[in-house]
Amino acid sequence: AQSVAQPEDQVNVAEGNPLTVKCTYSVSGNPYLFWYVQYPNRGLQFLLKYITGDNLVKGSYGFEAEFNKSQTSFHLKKPSALVSDSALYFCAVRDLTPSGGYQKVTFGIGTKLQVIP
Amino acid sequence: DTGVSQNPRHKITKRGQNVTFRCDPISEHNRLYWYRQTLGQGPEFLTYFQNEAQLEKSRLLSDRFSAERPKGSFSTLEIQRTEQGDSAMYLCASSLLSYEQYFGPGTRLTVT
Repeated sequence: AQSVAQPEDQVNVAEGNPLTVKCTYSVSGNPYLFWYVQYPNRGLQFLLKYITGDNLVKGSYGFEAEFNKSQTSFHLKKPSALVSDSALYFCAVRDLTPSGGYQKVTFGIGTKLQVIP
Repeated sequence: DTGVSQNPRHKITKRGQNVTFRCDPISEHNRLYWYRQTLGQGPEFLTYFQNEAQLEKSRLLSDRFSAERPKGSFSTLEIQRTEQGDSAMYLCASSLLSYEQYFGPGTRLTVT
């Protein structure tokens, strides 16, 4: 079974400071990892993904994430937080083990990011 | 690219009534997914279509739930004999092949 853990319900950071939102995962094979952001009364928006290659992936709005296979982590980062980054962030994983087309993506419970002016 | 659209955005119904939601995916996307999201939780996978074929269903999807995707375009999710526990946000997403999924704004269902 695949699973995702987001250990922090909420992360507070001052505007202009770097931010990190943590995510760890568990899959039986190789992971396909995602970050999504959800603003109030809006659908989830895709931020970035990791499937293979460079462990540091860059995404939308200046966000990046670092894949660490040994720690089974995929933490979301941004060098300088903006007030407009305040939202709910979801980490998600899909097991890439060949399984006849199984497409289930498992999401974490989300981390609320609050950027303080 | 008009994105994924869902209708209605909000639905209030009485317990025992049937409801149907519609999802229109991004036009070139051949894969379509339904999720359910409750407060304080991430989206939970319900079912998945590749073109018109329903290839995967979660155990969360009871017999009262049915989904269709005729002609591989839009999809409908029907809930029969609604229960208060069905109150949630129902999300639709689409993707091209196995790439990242793009989500619609969701349909918020309230069962009274």
